[in-house]
Amino acid sequence: KAGVTQTPRYLIKTRGQQVTLSCSPISGHRSVSWYQQTPGQGLQFLFEYFSETQRNKGNFPGRFSGRQFSNSRSEMNVSTLELGDSALYLCASSLAGGQGSAKNIQYFGAGTRLSVL
Amino acid sequence: GQSLEQPSEVTAVEGAIVQINCTYQTSGFYGLSWYQQHDGGAPTFLSYNALDGLEETGRFSSFLSRSDSYGYLLLQELQMKDSASYFCALKGAAGNKLTFGGGTRVLVKP
Repeated sequence: KAGVTQTPRYLIKTRGQQVTLSCSPISGHRSVSWYQQTPGQGLQFLFEYFSETQRNKGNFPGRFSGRQFSNSRSEMNVSTLELGDSALYLCASSLAGGQGSAKNIQYFGAGTRLSVL
Repeated sequence: GQSLEQPSEVTAVEGAIVQINCTYQTSGFYGLSWYQQHDGGAPTFLSYNALDGLEETGRFSSFLSRSDSYGYLLLQELQMKDSASYFCALKGAAGNKLTFGGGTRVLVKP
């Protein structure tokens, strides 16, 4: 079974541009979450999609947005890029719906490393 | 909100035992997870505690005490390949959102 696939792996953009990152979850997984990882702030939750609906949202500005398609693939978009958006963006998929205390193993992709110049 | 504290770095020798502590502040949560991340790699799931007590998975064990707002990951029989960063994370809401601690870098020496 293929793992979580993120494209592209590396991206270089300049301030003010926008970027779209893609994530293909493990087949059968309906939950997709996005995280930003930086040396200073660590791993921070961006948002989660489940069955094409945003279910949770982290504390990021409105420049960060996402969506999920009917095949569970997800995209996230960052508009008006800032230098501080340089980070590793990780996507994670889960088979579990996330109910209550049930174990929710998140399977992470290798990430997209975004550099903003 | 939620916050989790972990030591930033731990060094140990091969064959030793390492305990990574995680203290947290939250108004409520469903469970505590642990993830491992090698440099340049993706985080991978290690263990999950929904209830107080010890969960054992091979060389790794995880413990949770809700009354003490505390958990730990125990790495036994350390191997060189265990050199990585380890993160604790709270599942605090419906859905699969995780709030991560800052991570503990474990360096295993020969």
